Amino acid sequence: GAVVSQHPSWVICKSGTSVKIECRSLDFQATTMFWYRQFPKQSLMLMATSNEGSKATYEQGVEKDKFLINHASLTLSTLTVTSAHPEDSSFYICSASTPRGQGYEQYFGPGTRLTVT
Amino acid sequence: GENVEQHPSTLSVQEGDSAVIKCTYSDSASNYFPWYKQELGKRPQLIIDIRSNVGEKKDQRIAVTLNKTAKHFSLHITETQPEDSAVYFCAASDPGTYKYIFGTGTRLKVLA
Repeated sequence: GAVVSQHPSWVICKSGTSVKIECRSLDFQATTMFWYRQFPKQSLMLMATSNEGSKATYEQGVEKDKFLINHASLTLSTLTVTSAHPEDSSFYICSASTPRGQGYEQYFGPGTRLTVT
Repeated sequence: GENVEQHPSTLSVQEGDSAVIKCTYSDSASNYFPWYKQELGKRPQLIIDIRSNVGEKKDQRIAVTLNKTAKHFSLHITETQPEDSAVYFCAASDPGTYKYIFGTGTRLKVLA
């Protein structure tokens, strides 16, 4: 149980175009999903918290107009990188939060490798 | 907000030896501390976690200890094997939210 999928697993796009990444919780409902970005040999940096039916909460320094997040249902959140540039090339990982024991646990998707040429 | 520091950044051990990775956190209200293992190009996988009402937890060769007073927690891997080679991340829950704040990661290399 607690499987999270991401699509696509990798994508190459040209500078100036937009790319949409989907994150799905396959066997559970997730009221909260998270989007992370990970550069090579670095840690996971939280970009935003996505709550079903409401606007995403962005971390400091993350441009909300560039990284559009939509959480339309309890099993799907999308991240759209608008007007992508080479510096947006990174590994994007989502996670979905579900109750576990006394608190919550995050289950991670397999990640999407974005390369902007 | 919460801040997590992790040391060392790289760690090489001989197969069969033990490995210890340490993390400190800043917010005493944090109450959940997971550890993740990430292999190259793959998703982080939860390997063990501990809550603030427990001082130590063990699962076969892996153990985690928590010192709430000092605000630090450690991952212990005994009898290391080459397949333990990966990047390990500690994290702390951000009080009042569902967020995790991650440490900077430790690249563990187990030498055969």
